[in-house]
Amino acid sequence: EDKVVQSPLSLVVHEGDTVTLNCSYEVTNFRSLLWYKQEKKAPTFLFMLTSSGIEKKSGRLSSILDKKELFSILNITATQTGDSAVYLCAVDHSGGGADGLTFGKGTHLIIQP
Amino acid sequence: DAGVTQSPTHLIKTRGQHVTLRCSPISGHKSVSWYQQVLGQGPQFIFQYYEKEERGRGNFPDRFSARQFPNYSSELNVNALLLGDSALYLCASSTTVRYGYTFGSGTRLTVV
Repeated sequence: EDKVVQSPLSLVVHEGDTVTLNCSYEVTNFRSLLWYKQEKKAPTFLFMLTSSGIEKKSGRLSSILDKKELFSILNITATQTGDSAVYLCAVDHSGGGADGLTFGKGTHLIIQP
Repeated sequence: DAGVTQSPTHLIKTRGQHVTLRCSPISGHKSVSWYQQVLGQGPQFIFQYYEKEERGRGNFPDRFSARQFPNYSSELNVNALLLGDSALYLCASSTTVRYGYTFGSGTRLTVV
């Protein structure tokens, strides 16, 4: 069965701290791994990773994929209260058909001032 | 440019009733996918449509159906509603079948 597991499920840190969110996966015919930020309703796209070892960066956020060990991490440095959200990891898989994205349960991140 | 728009934003239905949720994709996007997100869980894939044809179906009962119209908008229909169908229903659009999904703000369905 295809699965995506995120850890931790919840995390509370202080403003300015650095956090690392984890995502491991077991799927058939992996194509890409995506990270989303969900604050209220609409998940907003952060990164799409397809190749191992290539770090993607956007401001204070960065992410990397390890296709051998089947995991990805999302790092947020110098956290701010606006980073408080649920961070979702999703895997796009299946060779030819459109089986949709398989999501993890998410990491609920709370940044305290 | 307008993003992915979903209607209604909130909906309360009684068990056994039928519901129709609507989604308008970003202009130029030909693929629409539907997801169900139960509180505390990640979104779960329901359907994907591309060029008005079903391209994928998740593990949901036949009470769930969908269609895509010539203008690429889409409807998700759920019959014989159960309490467990209460969830946030998200629509995502993309230019092709598997790249660049953009999500709408969802429809919050409550079944009582």
